[in-house]
Amino acid sequence: AQTVTQSQPEMSVQEAETVTLSCTYDTSENNYYLFWYKQPPSRQMILVIRQEAYKQQNATENRFSVNFQKAAKSFSLKISDSQLGDTAMYFCSNAGGTSYGKLTFGQGTILTVHP
Amino acid sequence: SAVISQKPSRDICQRGTSLTIQCQVDSQVTMMFWYRQQPGQSLTLIATANQGSEATYESGFVIDKFPISRPNLTFSTLTVSNMSPEDSSIYLCSVASGSYNEQFFGPGTRLTVL
Repeated sequence: AQTVTQSQPEMSVQEAETVTLSCTYDTSENNYYLFWYKQPPSRQMILVIRQEAYKQQNATENRFSVNFQKAAKSFSLKISDSQLGDTAMYFCSNAGGTSYGKLTFGQGTILTVHP
Repeated sequence: SAVISQKPSRDICQRGTSLTIQCQVDSQVTMMFWYRQQPGQSLTLIATANQGSEATYESGFVIDKFPISRPNLTFSTLTVSNMSPEDSSIYLCSVASGSYNEQFFGPGTRLTVL
């Protein structure tokens, strides 16, 4: 079984500042994938970044980067130079290698970027 | 990535009735997924829909309540049957693509049951 835990229900940040969203997970799989999804008020789920568990190098996508600590089962998301359009609910999720496509989601963190 | 559309985008229904949600993908995919997102909550997987076979339901979800069809590789429907106010949620379909297990989501259907 897989579990994903996001312990920060809400976060806020000033525009242009940096914010980090936390996520821990548990899985019995040896090969798995981790994702951060963003859900703005439009409710469209948007993939922000992904990390393959067998890769030690942290994934980076423009202003978004992760801190993947495999031994600690931690997968935090850092947003640099925050923009108003980053305001959304952020979900951390896990997909096991043997259960293709089936995602387990955390509870979500509401991020508000203030001007 | 895949482009996914859902119909309807929202609906308000009376208790005891049923609603069928359609999901259309712009490319052929083997597996489609249906999720429920209750108000203010995270997403919970309802079932996996494979073309040519019965859907596989997650714990807590049954076929009689959420029948699913998958007639071809680009289309699926989810029916919410005998609705009650507790079924008020956003229902999202998604497809898995590529070798990274990532999923792409439709825009969701916001269902309100009175």
